[in-house]
Amino acid sequence: DTEVTQTPKHLVMGMTNKKSLKCEQHMGHRAMYWYKQKAKKPPELMFVYSYEKLSINESVPSRFSPECPNSSLLNLHLHALQPEDSALYLCASSQVSGVGDTQYFGPGTRLTVL
Amino acid sequence: AQSVSQHNHHVILSEAASLELGCNYSYGGTVNLFWYVQYPGQHLQLLLKYFSGDPLVKGIKGFEAEFIKSKFSFNLRKPSVQWSDTAEYFCAVRSTRYSSASKIIFGSGTRLSIRP
Repeated sequence: DTEVTQTPKHLVMGMTNKKSLKCEQHMGHRAMYWYKQKAKKPPELMFVYSYEKLSINESVPSRFSPECPNSSLLNLHLHALQPEDSALYLCASSQVSGVGDTQYFGPGTRLTVL
Repeated sequence: AQSVSQHNHHVILSEAASLELGCNYSYGGTVNLFWYVQYPGQHLQLLLKYFSGDPLVKGIKGFEAEFIKSKFSFNLRKPSVQWSDTAEYFCAVRSTRYSSASKIIFGSGTRLSIRP
């Protein structure tokens, strides 16, 4: 089973709202990722968690706040977003094998900021 | 800095035509190479990957790719495409410098349209 699940599928929020995206995997993977994908563009890495610790932050604005409460769950807390933050937010996970590590992606949350 | 180039932005083919999508990367060290596919309205799926060994890699749905180290290339091929292959294709490179987590660099993607 190589399934990564994400909720919600769609989210519409105002610029003053606070919302959270959720990602879950039960493959025993110890690395989890958030990506942002704009239409007709490749995914752009935002954050990487390795063994529940933040290991990479690609200079993402502080209005995006990641959280990894345990090895199966990854959240992305959103606050005071801008309309240009509207995009598909993808979660991925991988084993952290060090060699031959492969990322598996979830279906994404389509976010619209009004 | 690492980069991945996919020179074909949009490829249009008829069914049964052969396909080759180009991918070049710029990184001198050991790399892992991937092709992902994103069907309309669906999530990214792994087509195939190369880590080491035989440079000709076979993936799902009849796709294959060849790693040519001297050319820094990892082109995707399929001998006979179907309408259902219509999708966006992304080449990706992972530097093995990062041992604790995978940082993947994606190419800009190639949109493949198949005429029935």
